[in-house]
Amino acid sequence: AQTVTQSQPEMSVQEAETVTLSCTYDTSESNYYLFWYKQPPSRQMILVIRQEAYKQQNATENRFSVNFQKAAKSFSLKISDSQLGDTAMYFCAFMKMNRDDKIIFGKGTRLHILP
Amino acid sequence: NAGVMQNPRHLVRRRGQEARLRCSPMKGHSHVYWYRQLPEEGLKFMVYLQKENIIDESGMPKERFSAEFPKEGPSILRIQQVVRGDSAAYFCASSYLGLSGNTIYFGEGSWLTVV
Repeated sequence: AQTVTQSQPEMSVQEAETVTLSCTYDTSESNYYLFWYKQPPSRQMILVIRQEAYKQQNATENRFSVNFQKAAKSFSLKISDSQLGDTAMYFCAFMKMNRDDKIIFGKGTRLHILP
Repeated sequence: NAGVMQNPRHLVRRRGQEARLRCSPMKGHSHVYWYRQLPEEGLKFMVYLQKENIIDESGMPKERFSAEFPKEGPSILRIQQVVRGDSAAYFCASSYLGLSGNTIYFGEGSWLTVV
């Protein structure tokens, strides 16, 4: 069974700083997707970034980038120039690259951006 | 293109009543997922459905919970004889499995309160 571990329950950083959220996962699959989702106080789940395991290049979306280390089964999220609106729960997630499978979430990291 | 639509957004039920939560997937999406989020916790997988077919219900409680995704109309998560412990946010997500890969999009959630 696949598992996703987020070892940082809560983090705080000053506005404009860079912050890195950690995520590790365990799987025997060779092809899969990894995601970071953001859940702000409104509780809506928002997709931040997606990575396909077969791609060596790290995914990037504006201020958000990942460091994908397939051999180490690590998938960290870096937020550059953090903004107050980045305050949220962040969930790392895994999904097998299979037509009939579900997405598995970590327990989340609560990120506070301080003014 | 409308997103994943869930209703009701908020539902209050007395213990012993039934709760029905509805989810309309994004246009063109044929796969629906239901997740439950207890307060201060991550999202737990419940069930994964295609139209008229349950793909994976390994996360569904054995009793009182059922889900369907008929050929026409929304997917419905049904909870019979609700108890206080059923109070949670229930998220629906949908996906389209195409050649470009798979991304799951979430609705805004339905908050069930059992009094």
